[in-house]
Amino acid sequence: ENVLTQSPATLSLSPGERATLSCRASQSVGSSLAWYQQKPGQAPRLLIYDAFNRATGIPARFSGSGSGTDFTLTITSLEPEDFAVYYCQQRSKWTFGQGTKVEIK
Amino acid sequence: EVQLVESGGGLVQPGGSLRLSCAASGFTFSSFTMAWVRQTPGKGLEWLSYITGDSITIVYADSVKGRFTISRDNARNSLYLQMNSLRDDDTAVYYCARERSGYCYDYWGQGTLVTVSS
Repeated sequence: ENVLTQSPATLSLSPGERATLSCRASQSVGSSLAWYQQKPGQAPRLLIYDAFNRATGIPARFSGSGSGTDFTLTITSLEPEDFAVYYCQQRSKWTFGQGTKVEIK
Repeated sequence: EVQLVESGGGLVQPGGSLRLSCAASGFTFSSFTMAWVRQTPGKGLEWLSYITGDSITIVYADSVKGRFTISRDNARNSLYLQMNSLRDDDTAVYYCARERSGYCYDYWGQGTLVTVSS
């Protein structure tokens, strides 16, 4: 089973700061990795697919990178609406990571 | 505008059954693979099943295989999930979602809560 491990579990930052979230797969997923944002009471929202492609309507401050087993989601300058939980997801068994909460410091 | 609206959730006893529906609009439903994903506080997001636009290919997660059945009616732009032999650990918010790129989901419904409890 290909497990996705996200780190850190919680990231405490201030608006305007840069956020760097990690997702590591136990086996290579090539570039088949997606990132989602979820706010309380809402469904997940697709941000990034195929490791680095922004989904429709996603601001340029969100970017994805990586391949194989190590992936990163970067938010260059946090806006107030960016404080949420972020999940990665892979093609193998369509599994999700456990999430990283980005909270206001 | 793409919209997915789930319905059919509720309280059910262990061993019971429930049928979830997802009404789709704003896109050519029959052209897209659709899926069900659930979320619990303890296990996070869990993919359950997908069905291709022509209903030819259907895949289930091991956790629901043999108990849940996914189906669709393209004439009605609707996706379904028949859930039988429900267990306590099936308690979750259930989402329908539209697939893109063969594995991820670009549109999600608002979710419907299923509670399995005696």
